[in-house]
Amino acid sequence: GDSVTQMEGPVTLSEEAFLTINCTYTATGYPSLFWYVQYPGEGLQLLLKATKADDKGSNKGFEATYRKETTSFHLEKGSVQVSDSAVYFCALSDTSGTYKYIFGTGTRLKVLA
Amino acid sequence: IAGITQAPTSQILAAGRRMTLRCTQDMRHNAMYWYRQDLGLGLRLIHYSNTAGTTGKGEVPDGYSVSRANTDDFPLTLASAVPSQTSVYFCASSEFLGDQPQHFGDGTRLSIL
Repeated sequence: GDSVTQMEGPVTLSEEAFLTINCTYTATGYPSLFWYVQYPGEGLQLLLKATKADDKGSNKGFEATYRKETTSFHLEKGSVQVSDSAVYFCALSDTSGTYKYIFGTGTRLKVLA
Repeated sequence: IAGITQAPTSQILAAGRRMTLRCTQDMRHNAMYWYRQDLGLGLRLIHYSNTAGTTGKGEVPDGYSVSRANTDDFPLTLASAVPSQTSVYFCASSEFLGDQPQHFGDGTRLSIL
């Protein structure tokens, strides 16, 4: 079945460091891909999305490119801030109109000042 | 502010008791979802609803029931709580089922003793 695999956390970085959080997926069709962010005590918020191969989603300095050849959707940011400390979830959704929406297990990011 | 409201924020419950978690959205979204979030397992779908009057089972539906009497409300009921249902529960909605960004509430932290 469909699945999403994220790198294990926690990831600890100094402020202004470069961030990469790896995400790979398996899917039988052509899913849409998402990154969500969860701040402490809150629900998940959509960070960015991509709906087809080679699409690049971007928001708040974060980027991710839908790579069909490597089945990946890695999250990157050039210069992280303390306020980026959160848990990041990669997710895929089935595009055939079903309820299928698969989340990864989440990667905790901690940014130190 | 438009969004999803969940209640209660947290609850401690004795095993065997009945409990209903409330969820209300004001975005007029057709689809709604209930997830549980457990450490190391990410988010797992419990039940979903495509539109008012219809519901479906997700990945982990046993021990839970839902109803969708109208567009805005999607309560989750634990008929007889067990300790393995200790978790953080998130309600979410999207404009339509499947390939859509989901909007999340802030969660209900439930402890079953």
